[in-house]
Amino acid sequence: EAQVTQNPRYLITVTGKKLTVTCSQNMNHEYMSWYRQDPGLGLRQIYYSMNVEVTDKGDVPEGYKVSRKEKRNFPLILESPSPNQTSLYFCASSWTIGNEQFFGPGTRLTVL
Amino acid sequence: GIQVEQSPPDLILQEGANSTLRCNFSDSVNNLQWFHQNPWGQLINLFYIPSGTKQNGRLSATTVATERYSLLYISSSQTTDSGVYFCAVERDSNYQLIWGAGTKLIIKP
Repeated sequence: EAQVTQNPRYLITVTGKKLTVTCSQNMNHEYMSWYRQDPGLGLRQIYYSMNVEVTDKGDVPEGYKVSRKEKRNFPLILESPSPNQTSLYFCASSWTIGNEQFFGPGTRLTVL
Repeated sequence: GIQVEQSPPDLILQEGANSTLRCNFSDSVNNLQWFHQNPWGQLINLFYIPSGTKQNGRLSATTVATERYSLLYISSSQTTDSGVYFCAVERDSNYQLIWGAGTKLIIKP
C-alpha cells in the first residue's frame, strides 16, 4: 500500500530533550516536506527536500533540523525542544514539485 | 505572499443536505489541492485540481485558475463528512503548499 508513515504518532517530552520524528514514504517520491499545524495559524512549512541531500528552509525552520540521506526517509530533528514547539506535525511527499502531495497521519507533540 | 481565503469558516447542516465550499487565491498557482481533516486529525486527499472539474462519488471540485478560485461541492451530506476542509495552493515561484484557514463542517444526524 502506497503510504507516508510517521513515528511516533504521539509524544510527550520535556524541554531540552533531543527528539527525532521519523518520516518514510514507499512511493519513490523525490519531494518531501514537513509542516506544523497550530490552532488559528493553519499549516506552515518547516523544511522541504527536493531530492536526496537537497534540503531547504520553509516558513518556520527555527529550532528544527532535517536530513535526507535516503530517498524514502526524511526525519525531523528537534535538538532542544521548547514548549512553543508543541504542535501537530505532518510529513508529506510527492513525485516532484508541483504534483499532488500525500500526507502522513501526523505526530502530536507536547513539550512540557 | 499569496493569500488563500476559504468561505464560509463554519457550516452546520442536516444530513442529506448539499453544500458548496469556496477557496479564493490571490496569485497564479501551479497546484491546488482539497483536503479533509477528520476529527482524529488525519489529512485526507480529496482532489488535486489545478484547473478544471473532477468528481469522486458525492464530492466534486471545480477550479477556475484564470479567476483564481476553486469550489468543493458535497452532495447528500453524511455525518462522516464532518471535519475541516482545507484548500492549499502551490505557488509558481516557490514550491510549498500555502493553506487556507479551512471550513469547519458539522453534519447533524
